[in-house]
Amino acid sequence: QVQLQESGPRLVRPSETLSLTCTVSGYSISSGYFWGWIRQPPGKGLEWIGSMYHSGKTYYNSSLKSRVTISVDTSKNQFSLRLSSVTAADTAVFYCVRGLGSGNSIFDYWGQGTLVTVSS
Amino acid sequence: QSVLTQPPSASGAPGQRVTISCSGSSSNVGSNTVNWYQQLPGTAPKLLIYSNNQRPSGVPDRFSGSKSGTSASLAISGLQSEDEADYYCAAWDDSLNGVVFGGGTKLTVL
Repeated sequence: QVQLQESGPRLVRPSETLSLTCTVSGYSISSGYFWGWIRQPPGKGLEWIGSMYHSGKTYYNSSLKSRVTISVDTSKNQFSLRLSSVTAADTAVFYCVRGLGSGNSIFDYWGQGTLVTVSS
Repeated sequence: QSVLTQPPSASGAPGQRVTISCSGSSSNVGSNTVNWYQQLPGTAPKLLIYSNNQRPSGVPDRFSGSKSGTSASLAISGLQSEDEADYYCAAWDDSLNGVVFGGGTKLTVL
């Protein structure tokens, strides 16, 4: 049973960098698939942030690309998100997901989500 | 606003059939497969339909998907109270080189 669990600070100051980690159990990241992040502002819809293949190939949302970094640590079976220069508009529930790959939008496993608030 | 267009709300009585539309363009729905996600209140989204019309294991056959040109639809027959949720369509966009979502449709079971 594949499981994903987000972790990281729940409160981030404006202009600082948001950092989250997703720990994967039940599947080895190095075996394949894409690993990524999707966010959902309170009361709003879903927004794809980006995805990364275990080999390092990454795809980012063009509207966030200048501020986003997704990385993978296969030794810990984890992958991470860094979002720099955050503002209140970045307040959202962040989900880590497993994706089937580039060219499609199939996300078959999701973490439970973690609410990150940007506030001073 | 979202790249894919969905109606903000839909409703139906128990036992009825409802459809939710998803409109896109040639760079997304028109050239790539569409997937649907169901988000029950307070929970993470769940893959409901993939590759336009395929159901993952465990999804009842009351749920079905279709696609024609630059539009896709999700149909739910035999509506049940537990179907009350938000539904999102998604597709890869060749121009943006990334995933785009619809704004979501809130389904109410009357």
